[in-house]
Amino acid sequence: NAGVTQTPKFRVLKTGQSMTLLCAQDMNHEYMYWYRQDPGMGLRLIHYSVGEGTTAKGEVPDGYNVSRLKKQNFLLGLESAAPSQTSVYFCASSYRNLRGLHEQYFGPGTRLTVT
Amino acid sequence: SQQGEEDPQALSIQEGENATMNCSYKTSINNLQWYRQNSGRGLVHLILIRSNEREKHSGRLRVTLDTSKKSSSLLITASRAADTASYFCATERGYSTLTFGKGTMLLVSP
Repeated sequence: NAGVTQTPKFRVLKTGQSMTLLCAQDMNHEYMYWYRQDPGMGLRLIHYSVGEGTTAKGEVPDGYNVSRLKKQNFLLGLESAAPSQTSVYFCASSYRNLRGLHEQYFGPGTRLTVT
Repeated sequence: SQQGEEDPQALSIQEGENATMNCSYKTSINNLQWYRQNSGRGLVHLILIRSNEREKHSGRLRVTLDTSKKSSSLLITASRAADTASYFCATERGYSTLTFGKGTMLLVSP
């Protein structure tokens, strides 16, 4: 099992360009998440999904859109990139175990620079 | 806003010593989790403690939770160089989402 994978690993964008980050998981998890991590900060939740076809806003959703058309994939889109979106982006997935608890499984991250 | 705040921000110890990291949070929680992040990698789940538990062990890890003080601690015993990483606490308030602290950078020197 590959677990959680992210593509691309690195990307440089110019201000105003758009791009889509892809997250894929092969663990049949219901829940998926997108975070950003900035220097000296913990992870901040951008958007999340509790199942195929559903999405919800997290702590810092502005400037991002997401889609969960297939259970195994969670896409993060930047319609018009800004330098403030320079960050490392992490995707994660989880499932609710028999005790109703979640632990999240993380991908390796995508390093995005917006110039 | 960050729910959890780790203390200290950075910790440097020798191999074989114990490392203790603390986490404080602001609102009531369902559970608290600790994650490790090696440089340039994704986070890895270490241990979860529920709000009705006070202490939990997993190998060389010991986690305590004091809900009256809204704080948790992570103890790593007999540290190894391979334990060098950033450690984050994360709180779940019941909506399947986690709120992470800023992390503690641990350096274990041989």
